[in-house]
Amino acid sequence: GESVGLHLPTLSVQEGDNSIINCAYSNSASDYFIWYKQESGKGPQFIIDIRSNMDKRQGQRVTVLLNKTVKHLSLQIAATQPGDSAVYFCAETPSTGGFKTIFGAGTRLFVKA
Amino acid sequence: DSGVTQTPKHLITATGQRVTLRCSPRSGDLSVYWYQQSLDQGLQFLIQYYNGEERAKGNILERFSAQQFPDLHSELNLSSLELGDSALYFCASSPTGPFGEQYFGPGTRLTVT
Repeated sequence: GESVGLHLPTLSVQEGDNSIINCAYSNSASDYFIWYKQESGKGPQFIIDIRSNMDKRQGQRVTVLLNKTVKHLSLQIAATQPGDSAVYFCAETPSTGGFKTIFGAGTRLFVKA
Repeated sequence: DSGVTQTPKHLITATGQRVTLRCSPRSGDLSVYWYQQSLDQGLQFLIQYYNGEERAKGNILERFSAQQFPDLHSELNLSSLELGDSALYFCASSPTGPFGEQYFGPGTRLTVT
């Protein structure tokens, strides 16, 4: 499939290691945050979300951390697998100004077997 | 498979032309979202409809318009096409909106020559 974001920042990790992908968001009024995974040639796929009244949420092998003080979001993937190789986007949705979802630029995760 | 369908998968047209992209949301989802993704950019939110009504508007050009029909399918109309409109166009749906998981379709690849 066609590559998305040819010049994205890239994170390269060894299979089995933990991955941490970071995202700085822009709007202090953002109330809702999502991490998406996009594999080559496919549409984005939901991974995990978090509301602004939380600072941590865990899913299966994934954890999202939210630091509202510095407007920072991170996605932690435990025991990274080759199938985790993809582009990861954070997205924020503010509760004011028309609920316009804003996506980050994305980070390419490459898992070395 | 997200349950969201988009047609056509690929579209090649000339500058100045007009095209229509079609999206069928997941069964039961009332919200439809349209996004544009260029090779060197992330996902740009264009517009959201909820149960037939426009709910949120993002960076959508005046040459672009969309609508959601009573059967909840949606169409994105792009007119007076320019080379810079070449991109992947994704449709997503969700049960409500704007908060909550969005399910993305496979996208329509538009190439303007």
